[in-house]
Amino acid sequence: QDLLVQSGAEVKKPGASVKVSCRVHAYSLSDLSIHWVRQAPGKGLEWMGGFDRKAGQAKYARKFQGRVTVTEDTSLDTAFMELSSLRSEDTAMYYCATGRGEFGVSAQYYFYMDVWGKGTMVTVSS
Amino acid sequence: DIQMTQIPSILSASVGDRVTITCRASQSISNWLAWYQQKPGKAPKLLIYKASSLENGVPSRFSGRGSGTDFTLTISDLQPEDFATYYCQQYDTDWTFGQGTTVDIK
Repeated sequence: QDLLVQSGAEVKKPGASVKVSCRVHAYSLSDLSIHWVRQAPGKGLEWMGGFDRKAGQAKYARKFQGRVTVTEDTSLDTAFMELSSLRSEDTAMYYCATGRGEFGVSAQYYFYMDVWGKGTMVTVSS
Repeated sequence: DIQMTQIPSILSASVGDRVTITCRASQSISNWLAWYQQKPGKAPKLLIYKASSLENGVPSRFSGRGSGTDFTLTISDLQPEDFATYYCQQYDTDWTFGQGTTVDIK
């Protein structure tokens, strides 16, 4: 079974919010950092935010600050990404991803993504 | 924010070719760089991490080099399954992707 299983496609109206889930299988969510990356149709990959387990806090891309919230329910081994004030430009495939990393000389932890969910398509249309 | 620039955006090549994609960071990221391959309708797949470390299961025809601000991904002996879009990603400070390089059939 896939490690990360995402919720199904969503259709939302402009101004609404969407909450996408990402369930972890075979591992405990508490041992992982889950990040969220989106891809608009025909466009590139864009990191939105995620929960940095080593730092114990959520991090967000500047572009999405104030509009995106990542949360998790460890009892369900499920991470969530909520995006508010949706507009047509938010129509995209949303991926959750996890990975591994290592500590650098400055004791900072450097994390890259090696396991991805299959994605959740979110369509924003009136 | 660290910006990542990939060159070229599109690369046309033939089976058996050796191709190189360049990725440039707007500031030094040491060697905290990953490369991903993405095929249509699929999630990205990790190829290279820490600039030059090959992910388990990835064919040895893929190789990465570089440090600081300049990096390359080379595919030697291009195979039919390698026609795809490739992204670099820095993970020195948060995470930023390059805009992608599509390798298509000449």
